[in-house]
Amino acid sequence: AQKITQTQPGMFVQEKEAVTLDCTYDTSDQSYGLFWYKQPSSGEMIFLIYQGSYDEQNATEGRYSLNFQKARKSANLVISASQLGDSAMYFCAMRSLIQGAQKLVFGQGTRLTINP
Amino acid sequence: DAGITQSPRYKITETGRQVTLMCHQTWSHSYMFWYRQDLGHGLRLIYYSAAADITDKGEVPDGYVVSRSKTENFPLTLESATRSQTSVYFCASSERQLNTEAFFGQGTRLTVV
Repeated sequence: AQKITQTQPGMFVQEKEAVTLDCTYDTSDQSYGLFWYKQPSSGEMIFLIYQGSYDEQNATEGRYSLNFQKARKSANLVISASQLGDSAMYFCAMRSLIQGAQKLVFGQGTRLTINP
Repeated sequence: DAGITQSPRYKITETGRQVTLMCHQTWSHSYMFWYRQDLGHGLRLIYYSAAADITDKGEVPDGYVVSRSKTENFPLTLESATRSQTSVYFCASSERQLNTEAFFGQGTRLTVV
C-alpha cells in the first residue's frame, strides 16, 4: 500500500536559515511522482515542487529543492534562505498507479514557523 | 472563471442529516479527488475518480458516497452525518499524467452538531 510519513509535526527556524522537511514514502510501484504542497494559514493548497521516480537529478524550483534518495525512499524538501512568509503547513504527497487508476496520498504534514 | 470551486464554503448540519458538498472544475481534468483534513492526520483520501462514471475508494470512504456523471463535477455526499465527520473537506483535480500536480479547491468547513 502507498504511505507517506512526515515525522516532524513542527519545526522552528530562524529567518534566512535553510530548513529541511523530512518525507519518507512506501510503495511497491516502479513509477510514481512525489510532490510538496504548502498550506498557509489562509488554507489554500499551493503546489511547490515535483520529483518523478525516474528522474536522476533532484528537482529545484527557486528556493525549493527536493533531496530525492530513491534507495532510502525519502524525498525531503529543502528551503534555502527561509523567509517569514514560509511559515505554513507543508505536505508531502505521492502519486502512483494502482490497478489502473492513480491515487494521490498525503502525509500528516509539518508545521514550519520562521522566527525573525 | 477557470478553476476548481467548492460549495458551500461553510456548512453546519445536524447529526443524521444528509449533506452534499459540491465540486466543479473547468479544465476537463480526468482525475478528481476528495480529501478530509483533520488535525494530526494531514489530508486523507476519501474517494477519487479517474473519469466520468469511474470512482474508487480511498483511505477513509465509510459514510461517504460520490458520483461523477459529468467530467467537471464530483459531488461528495454524507449519507447520515456524524460528529466524527466534522472536518475541512478539499476537492482536487488533475490531468491524467503522473507528473502533473493536483489543483485544489478552497475547501469546505463542515460542522456536524
